[in-house]
Amino acid sequence: EIVMTQSPATLSVSPGERATLSCRASQSVSSNLAWYQQRPGQAPRLLIHGASTRATGIPARFSGNGSGTEFTLTISSLQSEDFAVYYCQQYNNWPQTFGQGTKVEI
Amino acid sequence: QLQLQESGPGLVKPSETLSLTCNVSGVSISSGSFYWGWVRQPPGKGLEWIGNIFYSGSTYHNPSLKSRVTLSADTSKNQFSLKLSSVTAADTAVYYCAREGSYYLNWGQGILVTVSS
Repeated sequence: EIVMTQSPATLSVSPGERATLSCRASQSVSSNLAWYQQRPGQAPRLLIHGASTRATGIPARFSGNGSGTEFTLTISSLQSEDFAVYYCQQYNNWPQTFGQGTKVEI
Repeated sequence: QLQLQESGPGLVKPSETLSLTCNVSGVSISSGSFYWGWVRQPPGKGLEWIGNIFYSGSTYHNPSLKSRVTLSADTSKNQFSLKLSSVTAADTAVYYCAREGSYYLNWGQGILVTVSS
């Protein structure tokens, strides 16, 4: 099974700042990577699929990059509603696997 | 608009079987383009894929759960179900159902299932 490792575990930023989250796969997953946002008490929400394609309705301040084993999610200017936990997921190999999450906090 | 809603007991005794149903509205699960899946999240922890089902009945499940998982779908009721047998405290989690096209496009709100005597 492919292991997804996210860093950092916690990212402390201020509103308006840029946040960069990392996700590393234990072997290549091509571009078959998704990012999700999970606010407290809510279900995850799809942000990015195909490593860089924003899902429907996702603001342009969210962008994804990478391929192979190294991926990043960038939030260009943090809004108050962006403080949440972010997960990456690979769906290139069975079984699909998630990273352990990065918490973005003030 | 697509909506998914989990239902089932919130408390299950150890060694018994956890049974959940996901009711889908806004799209037919037999439309043929997507899988319908289950993901769980232990309190304070990350996400774990449980398994998924195609409307035709093809199923896949996480090998870590061995043979404890049974997935089924009822197209007449537009719902799909999860059964997890021989549960232990480690199976305590929020269980989500979701529409899956390799990645998860839509999620239910989740249901907390606690395993305790």
